[in-house]
Amino acid sequence: SAVISQKPSRDICQRGTSLTIQCQVDSQVTMMFWYRQQPGQSLTLIATANQGSEATYESGFVIDKFPISRPNLTFSTLTVSNMSPEDSSIYLCSVGTTAPSDEQYFGPGTRLTVT
Amino acid sequence: GIQVEQSPPDLILQEGANSTLRCNFSDSVNNLQWFHQNPWGQLINLFYIPSGTKQNGRLSATTVATERYSLLYISSSQTTDSGVYFCAVGRGTYKYIFGTGTRLKVLA
Repeated sequence: SAVISQKPSRDICQRGTSLTIQCQVDSQVTMMFWYRQQPGQSLTLIATANQGSEATYESGFVIDKFPISRPNLTFSTLTVSNMSPEDSSIYLCSVGTTAPSDEQYFGPGTRLTVT
Repeated sequence: GIQVEQSPPDLILQEGANSTLRCNFSDSVNNLQWFHQNPWGQLINLFYIPSGTKQNGRLSATTVATERYSLLYISSSQTTDSGVYFCAVGRGTYKYIFGTGTRLKVLA
């Protein structure tokens, strides 16, 4: 399975500012995703990070609020823009494998608190 | 879209007890995973099980795809089993939809 790291692991930010979260994988992967987990809730897919093209966003998430970059097959960033306290969540990146099975593996997450 | 419901929502066990967690989904899927989220937030892969039965130590899982449910069995529970258990399902692409979760607390 892929080894996934995220930076920062946690942060406390002021409202109105932006934070960029990095996701690094130890091998080339085709599929990378970003999820949000609000306090006490389940995980919700934000977008699929596409290498060399714009990310594909799920309903309720927009590029202006959550711009995503995917410059190569091992790295992606998610920016949370113009933050408000409602953005306080754990943000997780994940990768999809194809062999031997179609599994997803998750990074350790970034715990964000907006004050 | 597909709805994924898990039961029970909360579970408290004494160490050594057995338990069964259930995941119901509303439409056919071709991917299903069980995860354990530990108290530090890390998601740990338990099983990839779109159908059939698998076992790994004290844990086992069964998915009956035709009836749209999956079960996770935990035997001889330990305090380190505490956390939240999620099932996640997907169709065709990797867009997994996560269930509502079961929060498990194992008491020493």
